[in-house]
Amino acid sequence: KQEVTQIPAALSVPEGENLVLNCSFTDSAIYNLQWFRQDPGKGLTSLLLIQSSQREQTSGRLNASLDKSSGRSTLYIAASQPGDSATYLCAVFGSNYKLTFGKGTLLTVNP
Amino acid sequence: GAGVSQSPRYKVAKRGQDVALRCDPISGHVSLFWYQQALGQGPEFLTYFQNEAQLDKSGLPSDRFFAERPEGSVSTLKIQRTQQEDSAVYLCASSSSTPTSTDTQYFGPGTRLTVL
Repeated sequence: KQEVTQIPAALSVPEGENLVLNCSFTDSAIYNLQWFRQDPGKGLTSLLLIQSSQREQTSGRLNASLDKSSGRSTLYIAASQPGDSATYLCAVFGSNYKLTFGKGTLLTVNP
Repeated sequence: GAGVSQSPRYKVAKRGQDVALRCDPISGHVSLFWYQQALGQGPEFLTYFQNEAQLDKSGLPSDRFFAERPEGSVSTLKIQRTQQEDSAVYLCASSSSTPTSTDTQYFGPGTRLTVL
């Protein structure tokens, strides 16, 4: 059974700092990995999707990497802003067409 | 067009009551998923529809949970005889085709169910 772990569970940083969120998964037989953002009372917003054949994806200040063989992904956020405060969820998509999520990292960026 | 919508946004039920949660996917989306998100946890898969066919219901916690999508668009998740452990946010997601490695699932805002 696929298991996804996210570290740290919570992170508080001052505005402007660069930061890294970590995700690991137990079964490397995945089709893709996604990073989502979840704001309180809101649904999930997809930030980046990395195909299993790719190593990284970038969108603005966000960069996600994937090392499928070792079962790891990182989400790098550059020059963090208070508006980045949210819960960040990592999810892997496997051959059973299901998304398996981690528990998330609660990020707080302080002005 | 509009994104995925869910109603009600909040539902409080007394233990033993039946509840029905509605999901309106993005128009034309073939695939529809339901997830359950307990407090402090990530979403967990409940069930999947391709058009009106329920292809996977392996994540439904018990036979008190029932989902349908009779015309291949709107879906309803029904929970009978609610229990306190059913308290969670129920998320609906849709995608434009049958699941592939390139698909993104678009999520609704969720329904927060509280069972007293």
